[in-house]
Amino acid sequence: LAKTTQPISMDSYEGQEVNITCSHNNIATNDYITWYQQFPSQGPRFIIQGYKTKVTNEVASLFIPADRKSSTLSLPRVSLSDTAVYYCLVGSPNTGGFKTIFGAGTRLFVKA
Amino acid sequence: GAVVSQHPSRVICKSGTSVKIECRSLDFQATTMFWYRQFPKQSLMLMATSNEGSKATYEQGVEKDKFLINHASLTLSTLTVTSAHPEDSSFYICSARDLEGDTRGRDAQYFGPGTRLTVL
Repeated sequence: LAKTTQPISMDSYEGQEVNITCSHNNIATNDYITWYQQFPSQGPRFIIQGYKTKVTNEVASLFIPADRKSSTLSLPRVSLSDTAVYYCLVGSPNTGGFKTIFGAGTRLFVKA
Repeated sequence: GAVVSQHPSRVICKSGTSVKIECRSLDFQATTMFWYRQFPKQSLMLMATSNEGSKATYEQGVEKDKFLINHASLTLSTLTVTSAHPEDSSFYICSARDLEGDTRGRDAQYFGPGTRLTVL
């Protein structure tokens, strides 16, 4: 399973764009990159998933360079309610015994 | 769609008693469910992988006789904390993988809201 490395914490202000980068140097060919958001005392919530290049949905964008050894979650115009822990995970459902291992995550603090 | 529920959301019990936590996939079938434990200010720690109709696979360091897992159907997995002690107090979270998501070759994993266990 590929290990991920993220910044422990980040601060931002309302209305700013936030970019959280995750390193996954040992990512395998079949691995996807998935980001989750977690609020205190709640289960993680799926944000976005990608394999390569760029993926965009209604809440975020995910940028993945050609070598796929890192990825960047981009949150446009954050609000106070985006204060949470963000986890980057890599893995492949096609691998026997696939399971999701969470890293430390990034604590994002959005200030007014 | 793709909702996972957990019951109860919060439980307080006395030391030595057993507590059962249910995890249900409400609108999809899940051949595989995962159980996690999370302590305050820490990340989720995978405890075990629950496969429908077979024995669970436990992570290293997790006592299978203490944390009993049963995955009797494609929509229900249960975690029973036996002879609970104060150190078992934690936030327990389950997740379920969408069977159809598997066939698309992508990770379609959905998490429950969690169960807060407090052992007195």
